[in-house]
Amino acid sequence: AIRITQSPSSLSASTGDRVTITCRASQGISSYLAWYQQKPGKAPKLLIYAASTLQSGVPSRFSGSGSGTDFTLTISCLQSEDFATYYCQQYYSYPWTFGQGTKVEIK
Amino acid sequence: EVQLVQSGAEVKKPGESLKISCKGSGYSFTSYWIGWVRQMPGKGLEWMGIIYPGDSDTRYSPSFQGQVTISADKSISTAYLQWSSLKASDTAMYYCARRRGPDGNDAFDIWGQGTMVTVSS
Repeated sequence: AIRITQSPSSLSASTGDRVTITCRASQGISSYLAWYQQKPGKAPKLLIYAASTLQSGVPSRFSGSGSGTDFTLTISCLQSEDFATYYCQQYYSYPWTFGQGTKVEIK
Repeated sequence: EVQLVQSGAEVKKPGESLKISCKGSGYSFTSYWIGWVRQMPGKGLEWMGIIYPGDSDTRYSPSFQGQVTISADKSISTAYLQWSSLKASDTAMYYCARRRGPDGNDAFDIWGQGTMVTVSS
């Protein structure tokens, strides 16, 4: 199975900050990577697919980049509603696998 | 509106069987793969497996192969996740989710609200 290493596991930031989360795949996955946001007690929500394509309705302050093995999620100007846990997921080959998650907390 | 609605929370004893459901609406249920994701309390997301309701083609994560069964009844637009003998370690929230594209590999774009399964003696 392809392993996904996500970092950091948590971070503290302030509203207005630029935040970057990274995922590294154990082998090349082309652009078959998605990013999800999960708030406490809620189901995950798709933010980005195909590494860099914004899902409909997602604010443009979210962006994704990368291909092959290294990927990044950037939140350009953190808003209060963005404090949540973020997961990356590869869907290049079965079994699909998730990163361990990054909890974005208020500083 | 495209949505997946899951069955309600369950409390079971070890050794009991269980089948939880995920009903799709607002789209062609037979044309999109449906996956299942486990989230143990306070932990991350784990991909369990996926089924294509059109022909019941199913893929499992090796971690869950033999531990659960994924099925679907296309006549009622419903996917299922079942256990024959629950363990305490099966206590978790279980989500179903729709694969975004009908063709090729793609992300999960629509998620159910989750079904909490608690296994305790």
